[in-house]
Amino acid sequence: SQQGEEDPQALSIQEGENATMNCSYKTSINNLQWYRQNSGRGLVHLILIRSNEREKHSGRLRVTLDTSKKSSSLLITASRAADTASYFCATDVLGAGNNRKLIWGLGTSLAVNP
Amino acid sequence: EPEVTQTPSHQVTQMGQEVILRCVPISNHLYFYWYRQILGQKVEFLVSFYNNEISEKSEIFDDQFSVERPDGSNFTLKIRSTKLEDSAMYFCASIRGNSYNEQFFGPGTRLTVL
Repeated sequence: SQQGEEDPQALSIQEGENATMNCSYKTSINNLQWYRQNSGRGLVHLILIRSNEREKHSGRLRVTLDTSKKSSSLLITASRAADTASYFCATDVLGAGNNRKLIWGLGTSLAVNP
Repeated sequence: EPEVTQTPSHQVTQMGQEVILRCVPISNHLYFYWYRQILGQKVEFLVSFYNNEISEKSEIFDDQFSVERPDGSNFTLKIRSTKLEDSAMYFCASIRGNSYNEQFFGPGTRLTVL
């Protein structure tokens, strides 16, 4: 499996329900970030969780990180139709020359039905 | 709030032509990146750049690609002889320093090679 694999690949829910997306990775990370992308548009940074953190909240978003299992989850509570988008996790890792880079997952396509 | 800018937003070119994608990173940032996203696929790391030289490049970043920071503000990605498979969204990103966490992304340039 690849660094930063999300599941499910696609998720369809009703407005008001919670959406949970998972991400797994393989190497050591500095931090893990979640991004949102509306169809073919730019990347919107949602939340960053450092490797020494276990949980973080931002508005309706809750992110958890389990470094022992090399996995993270993104929970969106009380979803809205406007949350319809693709969600990517990206792991911040040390690359060559000790410089950092982001390794991205395949993404989860979320559809929130009104 | 400072932001990363990219021009053009959309570039259409003929196969075999050279293209230059331009980015203006945030002014006090020191590390610069290009990422690529083929339509419907994940974001892929292309290259990182620090202190006027490439820190790391991926397998995608072959001899047809080059990067430059010509004047201390712009950061450019040149594709010498474009191929159909170079059609993608290209994102520029910058980060203030290696000890900072968040990379700031530009809105992207959609490159279409005909």
